[in-house]
Parts: sequence; structure tokens; C-alpha cells
Amino acid sequence: EIMMTQSPATLSVSPGERVTLSCRASQSVLTNLAWYQQKPGQSPRLLIYGASTRATGVPARFSGSGSGTEFTLTISSLQSEDFAVYYCQQFLEGPLTFGGGTKVGIK
Amino acid sequence: EVQLVESGGGLVQPGGSLRLSCAASGFSFRSYWMHWVRQAPGKGLEWVSRINSYESSTSYADSVQGRFTISRDNAKNTLYLQMSRLRAEDTAIYYCVRGGQYLALDAFDIWGQGTMVTVSS
Repeated sequence: EIMMTQSPATLSVSPGERVTLSCRASQSVLTNLAWYQQKPGQSPRLLIYGASTRATGVPARFSGSGSGTEFTLTISSLQSEDFAVYYCQQFLEGPLTFGGGTKVGIK
Repeated sequence: EVQLVESGGGLVQPGGSLRLSCAASGFSFRSYWMHWVRQAPGKGLEWVSRINSYESSTSYADSVQGRFTISRDNAKNTLYLQMSRLRAEDTAIYYCVRGGQYLALDAFDIWGQGTMVTVSS
């Protein structure tokens, strides 16, 4: 089973700041990596797939990069609606596994 | 509108059974792999099970293997999860999720609102 590790676990940020979230896989997943956003009381929402492709309707301030075992989700200028928990997920091989999440909170 | 709506959650005693349903609309349900993903209270996401378009291929997480059964009725655009021998650690929100159209392993682009399952005496 491929283990996914996200860092940091929590992050306090001011609106307008640039945010970088990290995700590491225990073995190479090539670019079979997705990022999801989950706001309190809501279902997760797909943000990025294929490591760097934005899903339909996702604002351009969200970008993904990386391949192999190291991945990054960047929010160029954090908006109030971006405060949420972010999860990475590998879909190279089963079982599909998620990282533990990074909670982005208000500073 | 593309939509997934789960139902069937509730309170069940340890060792009991429950069947979850997920009604799909707004897309060609029969063309997609479908999954169940769960989230224990205050915890992260855990993939549970998947099924291909024609029910010829299913897969389960080790934690539910032998206790849960995934199935689908393409004529009714509905996905199911039959859960038996439930344990306290199965307590979670269960999400119905759309996977890939051609690939068993793909990102999850549509999520239902979830249904809560609580296993407690």
C-alpha cells in the first residue's frame, strides 16, 4: 500500500498570502496524484488531478506541481473561501490512498 | 446537473447490517467506475470499495473485505453498499463517489453529500 504524507498538518495564514502545501508518497506514483478541498460540513471537492491539471471550475490561483514522490499544491493568494482542509490522493495503484490532510486556518 | 445522493445511513448495533444507496443523475451512470469513500468523525478520508461499469470487477479495502459488498443497478442509476458484521470503527460518513470512465484507478470528480453510519450499542 502506498502511504501518503502531508505537511504541515495545520497552517495559519492571512488572506492574500501565498500558501504551499506538501504531499509525499512512499513510492513513485508518477503523476497519478489528485488534490481535494474540504470545507467544514461539506463533501470533498476535486481541485487538481494528474498532479497539475485544474478540475473544471477551479480558480487559477490553485496550482499543482510535482511527480514521482514529491508534490505541491500552491494557492497564489489565499481568499477567505479557501480556508479548508486539503487532501492529496494517489491513484497509481490500489488501494487508493489519501494523505492525512492539511488544515489551512486563519491567522 | 450531475448529482449523487446517498441514503440509508443510521444507527446500528455492533454486529448488525445496513445497506446504503446512492442515486445518480445528470450523467451516464453505466459508463463510470463508482466508489465508496468514508470519513470517521474528525478524521481523514479512507477509500472503501469500487465497482466497474458492468459489475464484473469489484475491490475492497482490507478493513472491510469479507464484510461489505458493493453492487450497482445501471437500470436504476443506483449504487449500493451492503454492510454486515458492523464494528464501532465503521462509524463514519460514507460518500458515494464517481471515478473514471475508463480507468479503475482515477481521480474522484463527483462526490455525494454523504450519509452517516453510527455503530453503537
